[in-house]
Amino acid sequence: GAGVSQTPSNKVTEKGKYVELRCDPISGHTALYWYRQSLGQGPEFLIYFQGTGAADDSGLPNDRFFAVRPEGSVSTLKIQRTERGDSAVYLCASSRSGSLLNEQFFGPGTRLTVL
Amino acid sequence: GQQVMQIPQYQHVQEGEDFTTYCNSSTTLSNIQWYKQRPGGHPVFLIQLVKSGEVKKQKRLTFQFGEAKKNSSLHITATQTTDVGTYFCAGPGDDMRFGAGTRLTVKP
Repeated sequence: GAGVSQTPSNKVTEKGKYVELRCDPISGHTALYWYRQSLGQGPEFLIYFQGTGAADDSGLPNDRFFAVRPEGSVSTLKIQRTERGDSAVYLCASSRSGSLLNEQFFGPGTRLTVL
Repeated sequence: GQQVMQIPQYQHVQEGEDFTTYCNSSTTLSNIQWYKQRPGGHPVFLIQLVKSGEVKKQKRLTFQFGEAKKNSSLHITATQTTDVGTYFCAGPGDDMRFGAGTRLTVKP
């Protein structure tokens, strides 16, 4: 079956612009996670959804970052007033449930470059 | 907050040699997961350990969870070039914390 998909695969934007990154989880997975990964680092947790609600958004670095999952499936990560330091690969993962005891299936990521 | 640390950061081995990476958490973990990320790829789940002192094997890979559930290790016996990649441990707590990873390179 289809895995987790993310679009776009690459996004280049200018400092100060707004960007949206999309994640399509595996069908039927109720939990969805967003991570940010910089070169040579492990994935950095941003936010976790259980269904439509954000169960834990403690990893969002500041109020320029926001994520939604209005129908409990597709999620969008939104970044306002982008800064060069936001450049990274943004990974999305989904799992069958939100107990954190289930394996996470990662998407291929969106590489964001802020010029 | 919870911190997950991994050592070593890099490991270069000759094909056929063994490899071990260690993961340590500042807090007790309910479980720990291990992932592998190939160069240019995304993390892929390897295994989950839940019980104190648990040991699991997958062919040449052996995973251990410490008695205090604060540390874990991954050991690969007789490495092959297909083992190349970065190995991450991840511990759920208030949020999902990944270690910085151990990057393994294997010389044929």
